[in-house]
Amino acid sequence: GAVVSQHPSRVICKSGTSVKIECRSLDFQATTMFWYRQFPKQSLMLMATSNEGSKATYEQGVEKDKFLINHASLTLSTLTVTSAHPEDSSFYICSADFVRRETQYFGPGTRLLVL
Amino acid sequence: KQEVTQIPAALSVPEGENLVLNCSFTDSAIYNLQWFRQDPGKGLTSLLLIQSSQREQTSGRLNASLDKSSGRSTLYIAASQPGDSATYLCAVYNQGGKLIFGQGTELSVKP
Repeated sequence: GAVVSQHPSRVICKSGTSVKIECRSLDFQATTMFWYRQFPKQSLMLMATSNEGSKATYEQGVEKDKFLINHASLTLSTLTVTSAHPEDSSFYICSADFVRRETQYFGPGTRLLVL
Repeated sequence: KQEVTQIPAALSVPEGENLVLNCSFTDSAIYNLQWFRQDPGKGLTSLLLIQSSQREQTSGRLNASLDKSSGRSTLYIAASQPGDSATYLCAVYNQGGKLIFGQGTELSVKP
């Protein structure tokens, strides 16, 4: 199956700093990439949808200036959490699809802890 | 707005039991429905995908059914094993091109 990687797998940072998370599709070109957030014991909540070369579409309630998404190529999308606060601590998961409305392939997730 | 609900939220069974996990969704206009497995602190593993025109899919000890008209799906796990312990997530791919997840069922299979 298709492989999606995320880096880093775990990051601890101080409050006020910015953190960048990378999502790569390793063996296919993704038409669209998605970013999800998952709090403990809760389900995945879609944060934004990004298409290569265009601006990301954010879900209601997600601050686009705080969660910057760049989709520079068909195999790479980045999520930057700017001026991170402890309440941003969560599990961030990306996914990618190349057959629209078929399925999404998920990365292993990034655990962010903001102190 | 599509909403996906999973029942029960948690389930503990002895090894060897057959079990059923339930998923319901409010809007039947879906492209497909998927069942995923998530181990603690890990990403998602796709288990079964049922297209909207299908009624069931099987993979090994797993069988998933879909009744689109009533907005329901079930995941049947036969002869459960301790290695099946994980959180099982149901998700529907809606016509807006988004995957909407349920809250998950946390399964524990005791040896």
